Amino acid sequence: NAGVTQTPKFRVLKTGQSMTLLCAQDMNHEYMYWYRQDPGMGLRLIHYSVGEGTTAKGEVPDGYNVSRLKKQNFLLGLESAAPSQTSVYFCASSYSFITGDGYTFGSGTRLTVV
Amino acid sequence: AQTVTQSQPEMSVQEAETVTLSCTYDTSESDYYLFWYKQPPSRQMILVIRQEAYKQQNATENRFSVNFQKAAKSFSLKISDSQLGDAAMYFCAYRRNSGGADGLTFGKGTHLIIQP
Repeated sequence: NAGVTQTPKFRVLKTGQSMTLLCAQDMNHEYMYWYRQDPGMGLRLIHYSVGEGTTAKGEVPDGYNVSRLKKQNFLLGLESAAPSQTSVYFCASSYSFITGDGYTFGSGTRLTVV
Repeated sequence: AQTVTQSQPEMSVQEAETVTLSCTYDTSESDYYLFWYKQPPSRQMILVIRQEAYKQQNATENRFSVNFQKAAKSFSLKISDSQLGDAAMYFCAYRRNSGGADGLTFGKGTHLIIQP
C-alpha cells in the first residue's frame, strides 16, 4: 500500500520555466490537497479537490494551476516559476472530511527556483 | 477565517522529562476537529493525535495527551517521558466539520529539541 506518492522529490527550476508536480494516491480518497511549506509559515493550502473533475482555490493559489482528471491523481502546475515559489510542496488526501480522519501526506517535493 | 497560533517557535526539554506545546485557535464554528502533526527531519507529516470538539474527554495516545479547553480555544499537547525520537517540528491544525472539505489550517509550528 503506497499511500500518497509525490514526484519528483527534488527539482531546480530557472525563473520563467514551467513544471508539473504529480500526486498519486491508491486509497480511493475523494479529497486531495496541495500545500506549500515555508520556514516559519507552517503549511498553507494552495488548491484542493473534492472529487474527480473538481478543483478549488485555497489560501495561496496565485501562480499555480491544478487538475484532477482521474480520482487517484492531483497535478500541480507552475506556469512561469518565480523565486517566491521556492518551497517544499506537500500533497495530502483524505477519504472524508466528516469522519475526523487526519490526512495522509506525501513525502514532499523540494522545489528551488533560481 | 480560522487561525491557528503556536506561540512557541522552539522548545527544549531533557530526555525523560515532560513538555507541553501550546496551541490556540480562533473560529466561530462549534463543530470541528483539532490535530497535532509531527514532522521529523525526514519531512514526513505524521498524525500524532486528534480531538473532536464535541468530545469533552481529552484525547490520549500512549505518551501523548492533549488539554482541550473549548471555551478558551486552547489545544495543548503534552509529551511525557520525552524520547530522542520525539525531536521534530510539531504542527497544530484545525478543520471545521460543516462543509469542511476545504482543508486543514495549520499553525506555524514548534521546533522541539530533546536534550540527552
